[in-house]
Amino acid sequence: KQEVTQIPAALSVPEGENLVLNCSFTDSAIYNLQWFRQDPGKGLTSLLLIQSSQREQTSGRLNASLDKSSGRSTLYIAASQPGDSATYLCAVAPYGGATNKLIFGTGTLLAVQP
Amino acid sequence: ETGVTQSPTHLIKTRGQQVTLRCSSQSGHNTVSWYQQALGQGPQFIFQYYREEENGRGNFPPRFSGLQFPNYSSELNVNALELDDSALYLCASSLVTGGMETQYFGPGTRLLVL
Repeated sequence: KQEVTQIPAALSVPEGENLVLNCSFTDSAIYNLQWFRQDPGKGLTSLLLIQSSQREQTSGRLNASLDKSSGRSTLYIAASQPGDSATYLCAVAPYGGATNKLIFGTGTLLAVQP
Repeated sequence: ETGVTQSPTHLIKTRGQQVTLRCSSQSGHNTVSWYQQALGQGPQFIFQYYREEENGRGNFPPRFSGLQFPNYSSELNVNALELDDSALYLCASSLVTGGMETQYFGPGTRLLVL
């Protein structure tokens, strides 16, 4: 059974700092891995999607890496800003399931202090 | 904006009642998925519909049911509500372009069962 774990559960950093969020998954048989952002009480915004054949994806100040063999992904945020404060969720799409069945971690709550 | 809307935004019900949540997605989005997100947890996959047929289900009892309509709207119905059904319910529709499938999440419906 696929399980997704995110560490740390919460993180507080001063503005301008670079930071790394971690995600691990137990079964490497995945189509892809996505990182989402969720603001309080809101829906999910997709940040980056990494296909199983890829190693990383970049968008602006965000860089996500995927090491499928070790079951790990990291989300790197450069020069953090107060507007980055949110919960960050990673999710994997496992092989053999419904095409859009995502298995999520419990998220990392990020607070960037001005 | 993802183009996916959900109604209502908030809802309060009592134990044993029935509830219908609605989702409207963009033209051409043939697949819709529903997720339940309890407070402090990641979303959990309930089920997926493709071209008006259920096409995958998570670990949820039969009192959770759905419908998808030809006009790209869908419903999640929950019968015999329990206190543990209190959660944010998210729908996500997807579109395939250039061989890539992208999911778009709605803002969610927050359900409180008393």
